[in-house]
Amino acid sequence: GQNIDQPTEMTATEGAIVQINCTYQTSGFNGLFWYQQHAGEAPTFLSYNVLDGLEEKGRFSSFLSRSKGYSYLLLKELQMKDSASYLCAVGGGYNKLIFGAGTRLAVHP
Amino acid sequence: GAGVSQSPSNKVTEKGKDVELRCDPISGHTALYWYRQSLGQGLEFLIYFQGNSAPDKSGLPSDRFSAERTGGSVSTLTIQRTQQEDSAVYLCASSLVGASNTGELFFGEGSRLTVL
Repeated sequence: GQNIDQPTEMTATEGAIVQINCTYQTSGFNGLFWYQQHAGEAPTFLSYNVLDGLEEKGRFSSFLSRSKGYSYLLLKELQMKDSASYLCAVGGGYNKLIFGAGTRLAVHP
Repeated sequence: GAGVSQSPSNKVTEKGKDVELRCDPISGHTALYWYRQSLGQGLEFLIYFQGNSAPDKSGLPSDRFSAERTGGSVSTLTIQRTQQEDSAVYLCASSLVGASNTGELFFGEGSRLTVL
């Protein structure tokens, strides 16, 4: 079966750091993805991890542990515009991409 | 166009009517996905086309849903005898080869379907 879990909602303060966790159980694994989706807009790609470890891209970093079925997205120096939903997605068998329910992040001044 | 194009952007229909949603992917992208997103929810996988391979239809919720992709490009998602629970935003995405090879799906703006 396929199961991807992430917290439903999180809040954080502008300028702070926030970590959004994702755990997964899927049949087949071809990489883990994070997408950002602002309200009323289409999702946009943030990061991709296929090997264990940390991938850093500016203020955003993503970590993967395949043995633990675990990933996190780390957002630093939070800005108001970072208020959005963050979707964890796993590439499974046949390269099919399955999404979690998403984490709604609210950044407050 | 430069991005994934979907039409219509909004569709209001009466229960029991059939609807067709269209997706025009990025030129050259061999993989095409349809997802459904209800208000405040995540993306529900519907169907996946990859090149000339048989599509993965495992996410289609009932036999009222069907999709085709003509000439390896444009795709149409058809919902027959629509029900109120079909109301959602239907998102199409394309990628070069499989998403797991490139790490990036490009999404259209979606078609918002409302069934009265």
